[in-house]
Amino acid sequence: QAVVTQEPSLTVSPGGTVTLTCDSSTGPVTSGHWPYWFQQKPGQAPKTLIYDTRNKHSWTPARFSGSLLGGKAALTLSGAQPDDEADYYCSLSYTGNRGVFGGGTRLTVL
Amino acid sequence: QVHLQESGPGLVKPSQTLSLTCTVSGSSISSGNYYWTWVRQHPGKGLEYIGYIHYSEGTYYNPSLESRVTISIDTSKNQFSLILSSVTAADTAVYYCVRSHGGYWGQGTLVTVSS
Repeated sequence: QAVVTQEPSLTVSPGGTVTLTCDSSTGPVTSGHWPYWFQQKPGQAPKTLIYDTRNKHSWTPARFSGSLLGGKAALTLSGAQPDDEADYYCSLSYTGNRGVFGGGTRLTVL
Repeated sequence: QVHLQESGPGLVKPSQTLSLTCTVSGSSISSGNYYWTWVRQHPGKGLEYIGYIHYSEGTYYNPSLESRVTISIDTSKNQFSLILSSVTAADTAVYYCVRSHGGYWGQGTLVTVSS
């Protein structure tokens, strides 16, 4: 089974910009992996921020954006706020629509 | 508005069967190209796919759980269900139901395996 890798932890200053990445052990991430990004705060269910690489929900703050960057899926946060402190997970789909989660990135806003 | 809600016992004895149901509103289980998925999260850990069911394509299960998992659909109730047999303490987790194509999550339900 494929392994999906994320940065274990990142720190961003308030108002700063940070990019989280999502890497696949099978090769470059493409739009065909239908990358998803989820935000999870303590005691809450994950919430989908980005789906299919770059699509946003109505509840996704405009400061979040998704893309493909250097063979990885990427989630960029521009203008970080204290409320963005959370765990972020990505998910990639493989043959047969088999999903694999990354291990998650703990984002600290400090 | 798509809404998913998990339900089922919060406590299961070791070696018994865990059974959860996800009730869906705002989206039809039997139409659309959706994958109805179960995900779990062990305490303090990351997310793990359990498997999915698609109305016409059938099911897929995580190989690590495949021998113990069954996911099924009840179109009359617009629900899908998870059965996990022969549970142990390692199955203690929060269980989520999720719809693909946008990633709509239920609120999750904690299932504890203990005697």
